[in-house]
Amino acid sequence: RKEVEQDPGPFNVPEGATVAFNCTYSNSASQSFFWYRQDCRKEPKLLMSVYSSGNEDGRFTAQLNRASQYISLLIRDSKLSDSATYLCVVSPPGYSTLTFGKGTMLLVSP
Amino acid sequence: GAVVSQHPSWVICKSGTSVKIECRSLDFQATTMFWYRQFPKQSLMLMATSNEGSKATYEQGVEKDKFLINHASLTLSTLTVTSAHPEDSSFYICSASIRSQIGETQYFGPGTRLLVL
Repeated sequence: RKEVEQDPGPFNVPEGATVAFNCTYSNSASQSFFWYRQDCRKEPKLLMSVYSSGNEDGRFTAQLNRASQYISLLIRDSKLSDSATYLCVVSPPGYSTLTFGKGTMLLVSP
Repeated sequence: GAVVSQHPSWVICKSGTSVKIECRSLDFQATTMFWYRQFPKQSLMLMATSNEGSKATYEQGVEKDKFLINHASLTLSTLTVTSAHPEDSSFYICSASIRSQIGETQYFGPGTRLLVL
């Protein structure tokens, strides 16, 4: 089983749609969780950290289910500029290393 | 926010050439710097973790003699791909981490595209 698995995508949605990304991780001791965004041929950029209680940042909502080892990202009212690859990222306890999922590509069309 | 730069942004070289990539944290001192590699349509793979003044820790399968890492200061780390071959062509990305009360956050450089002919 891969350490971090994501929906393969791509997701093609119209502007204004709501889209959800799912991610599972294999290391139950993982401590930190993030969603990064990577535009084509660019470096990843931190979108948001994911907390146990769930957290929201504008149109973006992240959820964490430790029991199921599952992380989600919900994007509401999709914009054209949301088109990118979304990376689920997990970090084990006590270490600063990050393990990246393969990413899910989102294409928002007019 | 924290800014990390990389230089050069792209390199085209002949097989057998050594290529040096610099990673700098511009407005902060990084606790640790990391080097990643990303092949097309693949996830970022950690190559090595580097702390200032000490030897880098390489991930399994990454040859330390081929990918030389020097971390001379809290704001500069370099990766040298020695005797590069076409299979080393990839997107090399560094990151620098900052430790804070809420944990450790990595900030990524813009990456270096290496093409070995």
